Order: sequence, then structure tokens, then C-alpha cells
Amino acid sequence: SQKIEQNSEALNIQEGKTATLTCNYTNYSPAYLQWYRQDPGRGPVFLLLIRENEKEKRKERLKVTFDTTLKQSLFHITASQPADSATYLCALDIMNNNAGNMLTFGGGTRLMVKP
Amino acid sequence: ETGVTQSPTHLIKTRGQQVTLRCSSQSGHNTVSWYQQALGQGPQFIFQYYREEENGRGNFPPRFSGLQFPNYSSELNVNALELDDSALYLCASSPTSALTYEQYFGPGTRLTVT
Repeated sequence: SQKIEQNSEALNIQEGKTATLTCNYTNYSPAYLQWYRQDPGRGPVFLLLIRENEKEKRKERLKVTFDTTLKQSLFHITASQPADSATYLCALDIMNNNAGNMLTFGGGTRLMVKP
Repeated sequence: ETGVTQSPTHLIKTRGQQVTLRCSSQSGHNTVSWYQQALGQGPQFIFQYYREEENGRGNFPPRFSGLQFPNYSSELNVNALELDDSALYLCASSPTSALTYEQYFGPGTRLTVT
């Protein structure tokens, strides 16, 4: 079955360092992948979308890579700040047996940036 | 903050009851998707509505149903509530039914079933 894996353990890093989060998937070849940020008690907020023919995408301090051979995406936050502390979710379009494609999320990784 | 609003914020229901959750899309968006998020997990796709028609459905039983109105606002109805239905229910709007577009999420409705 199709599976999306994110590290369920929290990632703790020091302010100013680069945080790297991983999203692995199996048994599927998505056309694109999205990353979202979610704060406690709130809805996810869209950060970046990367397509299968794009190796890397950047937005300010954020960088996403997409390796369709390894079936993996890496999400980097450079010069991390305590305000970056949140849960980060990756999401892929996956063929839905019931109709068309649907956006399927991983379980998320909680990032804690310490001052 | 996105322009997506949801009501109510919190809700407590008893097993076997029915519940209706509401969502108002961001202006200009014609597509609404609903997700269920259990504690500590990622959102799970329930279904999507595009121009008032169901446009895709995840692995949820028929007691989960929905509606989209001409102004593109939407409702999620859950019948015969079960304890496992306790979760954060999120709606997300987008300007098109194509999933290549980012989803704009509302703040969610926290449903507790006792």
C-alpha cells in the first residue's frame, strides 16, 4: 500500500542552525509534493510546492529537494529561529480509488528550535 | 491567516448523535476539501466538492456526507457518531479542483464524542 513517512520524533535544534526534515514515500510516483506548517490548534499553512521535474525549490530561508529515484523529499530551514518551532507536514497527490487524485499527508515532524 | 472560516470552534457530542460542521471558503475559491486530523497524526482526506458536486472521496464510510452551496461554502455532516470520530476537522479551499494548487486551510473544528 502507499505510504508516506515522516520522522515522528521531534527534532530539537539550536537557534541559527539548519533544520532538515525528511519525507519518504513508497509505492507511488507523485507528480508533485507540498510542504505545510501547522501550529498547535490551528490549520496547516502552505509553504512550498515542488514538481517531479524540479530537483530543488527555494523560498527565503526554506529549501525543498525532491528525489524521485530515492522517493524522498528534504525540507531545510536555514538560520532557524524559535518562531520556526511547529509541526511540518509533507503531502503528495495520490491516486484515489474512489475518484481522481487526493492530497495525502504524512504524520508530520515536530521541530523545536531552542534559543 | 487565510480567509477560510469554520464553525463551531469546538463541539461535544454523544455517541450515536449527528453533527454538522460548516466552512466558508476564501473569496474566489470554488473548491472545498474536508480532512479529519486525529491527535498526533496528519490530516486524512474525507472528500472534495467542486462547484456543488462531490469530486473525490477518501476511505470514509457513507455516514460522512457533505454539501457545497452556490456561494461555495460547505457543510460536513456525520451521522451515528462513534468515539473514533473525535478529531480536528479541517476544511481547505482552493481556486481550482486541481491538486497542484495550494490548499488554504481553516482553523478547524475540534469534535469530541463521548
